[in-house]
Amino acid sequence: DVKVTQSSRYLVKRTGEKVFLECVQDMDHENMFWYRQDPGLGLRLIYFSYDVKMKEKGDIPEGYSVSREKKERFSLILESASTNQTSMYLCASSSLRDRPYEQYFGPGTRLTVT
Amino acid sequence: RKEVEQDPGPFNVPEGATVAFNCTYSNSASQSFFWYRQDCRKEPKLLMSVYSSGNEDGRFTAQLNRASQYISLLIRDSKLSDSATYLCVVPHGGGKLIFGQGTELSVKP
Repeated sequence: DVKVTQSSRYLVKRTGEKVFLECVQDMDHENMFWYRQDPGLGLRLIYFSYDVKMKEKGDIPEGYSVSREKKERFSLILESASTNQTSMYLCASSSLRDRPYEQYFGPGTRLTVT
Repeated sequence: RKEVEQDPGPFNVPEGATVAFNCTYSNSASQSFFWYRQDCRKEPKLLMSVYSSGNEDGRFTAQLNRASQYISLLIRDSKLSDSATYLCVVPHGGGKLIFGQGTELSVKP
């Protein structure tokens, strides 16, 4: 069974703090993704990575950065958290070759920035 | 026009009812489509793939209308456990997906 885990289910941070969200997958997937999900807006892609040390911007990368030093781990960094980054953050992974459009999601991190 | 559009609902139906959702997409070159299901406070999971004419899996039927650029999901004999948000998904190349905002279904006893 594919497993994608995220470091926290709930997180509360203050404005201006640096925030790290960690994601780990155990299926040796090449692709990894970070999304945020907001009511009425659906899932929006922040960043994705198709290989170690490779990253590409998604639709809403402003205010975020990512790091992929190992194949199984993909980190999302909020350099200086702001209240408009309060959201549900979902990590996902998929295989590059075998059914690349089947993404497996982690349980999500609900981040509140106060 | 949004790349993927869905009626957000909610659709409130009694058990045993048949319910259908539509989803429109803007990229006429898209070849394959997907429905994901997201239970309340859970992560999305792949429900069905839709290629060419459509796909059927038990009580669930997904169909594609290329001329009108829409995909539909039909659920027959609805169960309480079908209550969820259904996400219409279109590939965007390189393994990326574009998600619709989702259609909420609530099946009542």
